[in-house]
Amino acid sequence: SQQGEEDPQALSIQEGENATMNCSYKTSINNLQWYRQNSGRGLVHLILIRSNEREKHSGRLRVTLDTSKKSSSLLITASRAADTASYFCATVLYSGGSNYKLTFGKGTLLTVNP
Amino acid sequence: DGGITQSPKYLFRKEGQNVTLSCEQNLNHDAMYWYRQDPGQGLRLIYYSQIVNDFQKGDIAEGYSVSREKKESFPLTVTSAQKNPTAFYLCASSLMPRNSPLHFGNGTRLTVT
Repeated sequence: SQQGEEDPQALSIQEGENATMNCSYKTSINNLQWYRQNSGRGLVHLILIRSNEREKHSGRLRVTLDTSKKSSSLLITASRAADTASYFCATVLYSGGSNYKLTFGKGTLLTVNP
Repeated sequence: DGGITQSPKYLFRKEGQNVTLSCEQNLNHDAMYWYRQDPGQGLRLIYYSQIVNDFQKGDIAEGYSVSREKKESFPLTVTSAQKNPTAFYLCASSLMPRNSPLHFGNGTRLTVT
């Protein structure tokens, strides 16, 4: 089963509105990363949040992490049509030495209507 | 500009043929990865390499092979043993340790008929 699961699977909003996507996971993590993927393209890294951090910002992006609930959220404020993409969370587990395992969720498809 | 180059963008093959997907990076990253993406699925790890001449199987390595003869290059061969090879293949790289963010190429869409 997936370590990270995004919710909702799809989200459609109007330009200017805020978009919130959630990611839940099952086991303790080293860090959690959010990526964006435009249709037919590779993924682009957005934000990395470590397990001892609770919130990070980057431009119009805000990521929160609640390790007690094993969940993270990605907020995009004042959305634009160009924000239309799939958004993935990736959880990083540490298993000792130099061993890390990064697992992607299935993604949230965000559509921003002009 | 630093980045990852995957080629070709589209690839068509007949069933039973092996095919090799190219991945080159000029980011000076030690770690490189191959992922497979199917519709409605997340990315699944095929192989990864942390150093030249060394690589490890990921979650779905069966039917695939890789080599890492140079730091910059990590080609993936999809063999005839792979039962469902039609997919979108993504190459990525990262700094070490491997909890660092990944940098992705723009993918190769492989269609096998």
